[in-house]
Amino acid sequence: SYELSQPGSVSVSLGQTATLPCWGNNLRSKNVHWYQQRPGQAPVVVIYRDTKRPSGIPDRFSGSISGSTATLRIKGVQVADESDYYCQVWDGSTAVFGGGTKLTVL
Amino acid sequence: EVQLVESGGGLSHPGRSLTLSCTGSGFSFADSAMNWVRQAPGRGLEWVGIIRGRAYGGTTSYGPSFTDRFTIRRDDSKSVTYLQINNLKSEDTATYFCSRWVDAFDFWGRGVMVIVSS
Repeated sequence: SYELSQPGSVSVSLGQTATLPCWGNNLRSKNVHWYQQRPGQAPVVVIYRDTKRPSGIPDRFSGSISGSTATLRIKGVQVADESDYYCQVWDGSTAVFGGGTKLTVL
Repeated sequence: EVQLVESGGGLSHPGRSLTLSCTGSGFSFADSAMNWVRQAPGRGLEWVGIIRGRAYGGTTSYGPSFTDRFTIRRDDSKSVTYLQINNLKSEDTATYFCSRWVDAFDFWGRGVMVIVSS
């Protein structure tokens, strides 16, 4: 079955740029979506279809994809951005989530 | 305003069956693909499965770990989707979210907790 890999944790200083990678085989051929999950809350989509930002999501959030790596970038990281982030794709008729990255703001 | 509200969770015993419900409002429920996603305590998101909207005949698909004891149904007249879990196991202890799929999992319920324990 298809797998997505994410680093378990990423730390970034307040105000800096966080870079969160997601790896999967031939990822460029799929649409990658990103979700933010704050502790005790439901996930929220922050990027869909690789690069699109839903209404209400700050433009500090951006997505890109190259080859087998999708990347979520968060510019000017704030304390409120400290969350778990998951990438997700469809492999045929099956949705697949990455294991998630815990973003810590220093 | 789109809203999804899960119900039916709580404490249950191994071997029993449990049915969770997710009631939608503020959108065309019958046309929407509805999903269930599981999250065990301290763990990541696991996709349970999907039930597609009426244009796709309400067909279902399940994640590899959920083909055996899990069944998703819908009642469009009530704007509800259901997740039935048979032969509950301790590893089913988790929060279960329902979510609508439109270009992404764009709306989520708050989730319902299921605890399986003797």
